[in-house]
Amino acid sequence: NAGVTQTPKFQVLKTGQSMTLQCAQDMNHEYMSWYRQDPGMGLRLIHYSVGAGITDQGEVPNGYNVSRSTTEDFPLRLLSAAPSQTSVYFCASRTSAASYGYTFGSGTRLTVV
Amino acid sequence: DQQVKQNSPSLSVQEGRISILNCDYTNSMFDYFLWYKKYPAEGPTFLISISSIKDKNEDGRFTVFLNKSAKHLSLHIVPSQPGDSAVYFCAASSTGGTSYGKLTFGQGTILTVHP
Repeated sequence: NAGVTQTPKFQVLKTGQSMTLQCAQDMNHEYMSWYRQDPGMGLRLIHYSVGAGITDQGEVPNGYNVSRSTTEDFPLRLLSAAPSQTSVYFCASRTSAASYGYTFGSGTRLTVV
Repeated sequence: DQQVKQNSPSLSVQEGRISILNCDYTNSMFDYFLWYKKYPAEGPTFLISISSIKDKNEDGRFTVFLNKSAKHLSLHIVPSQPGDSAVYFCAASSTGGTSYGKLTFGQGTILTVHP
């Protein structure tokens, strides 16, 4: 099915561990973004990309890295996990030509202990 | 600094009545606004949008109103249905400069529609 696929759906990490959240889309969308959702905070932008090889920081980029080597994939790397990074992470994509209706993945629930 | 605010954490309405969800913004550069709907354990889904050159946009039971002078937008759902029960997020974007493509979200409002 066409859409945005995020893996894993759930993850528990120990403080200090690193990991990569995967995001892939098969709609040939140029724009991709990573958000985190925390209670009472809405969705906050971590990093985004307007095309392969082009990335930029959002509101809360510290502790996260991204790269965009292909149009389809936009992985999010946690360098050294901290309890403050416990959250639900959403990846989203859209075409540059459309209205601003991003398509979201179903999320990754991350707990850092 | 919260640039997009949804000051009502929750709203409860009866089936068949109107639901009105509100959103305020502070950044004058925002010129495109969207509403998203989110069910538990799912990603947000795009509902409706409006450009700053308009003051109203309709799509079936959903209408979004924009008051630029007050920096306020609202989403009206008429008639409300139990399946509309979800979290609703307001989002805003600037089409110019380096912010192109970035969305800033509000905190969300939990809508409950009672049968």
